[in-house]
Amino acid sequence: EIVLTQSPATLSLSPGERATLSCRASQSVTRFLVWYQQKPGQAPRLLVYDASNRATGIPARFSGSGSGTDFSLTISSLESEDFAVYYCQQRMYWPLTFGGGTKVEI
Amino acid sequence: EVQLVESGGALVQPGGSLRLSCAASGFTISTFWMSWVRQAPGKGLEWVANIKQDGSEIYYVDSVKGRFTISRDNAENSLFLQMNSLRVEDTALYYCARGYDRFPYFDYWGQGTLVTVSS
Repeated sequence: EIVLTQSPATLSLSPGERATLSCRASQSVTRFLVWYQQKPGQAPRLLVYDASNRATGIPARFSGSGSGTDFSLTISSLESEDFAVYYCQQRMYWPLTFGGGTKVEI
Repeated sequence: EVQLVESGGALVQPGGSLRLSCAASGFTISTFWMSWVRQAPGKGLEWVANIKQDGSEIYYVDSVKGRFTISRDNAENSLFLQMNSLRVEDTALYYCARGYDRFPYFDYWGQGTLVTVSS
């Protein structure tokens, strides 16, 4: 099973600041890495698929990068609605697995 | 507008059974892989099961193999999860999700249905 380790567990930032979230895979998933955002009481929302492709309707301030085992999600300038939990997911091997999440808080 | 609406969650005793349903609208499920993903209270996401468009390929996480069965009715535009021999650790919010590809990412999610396994 591919283990995804997200860091940091919590990121405390202010609106307007840059956020960089990390996801490390226990073995290479090439570029098959996905990012989701989840707000309290809501379902996850797809942000980025296959490492760097923004999903439909996702603002340009969200960008993904990386390959192999090391990936990152960058939010260039935090807006109030971006404070949430972010999960990564690999889609190269069964079972599909998610990281433990990074909470971005004010 | 794409919508996924789950139902069937309930409080059930350990060893019991439940059947979850997911009604899709705004798209035809026959053209997509469909999945169940769960989230224990206060915890992260866990993929549970996937089913191919025609039902010919099915995958499960090891912890539910032999106990859960995913199925679909394309004519009814619906997805199901039959859950038997439920355990306390199956307690979670169960999401129905639309998937892309055999190893999917999930572009649409329902709001979830809560399954609580407790005596």
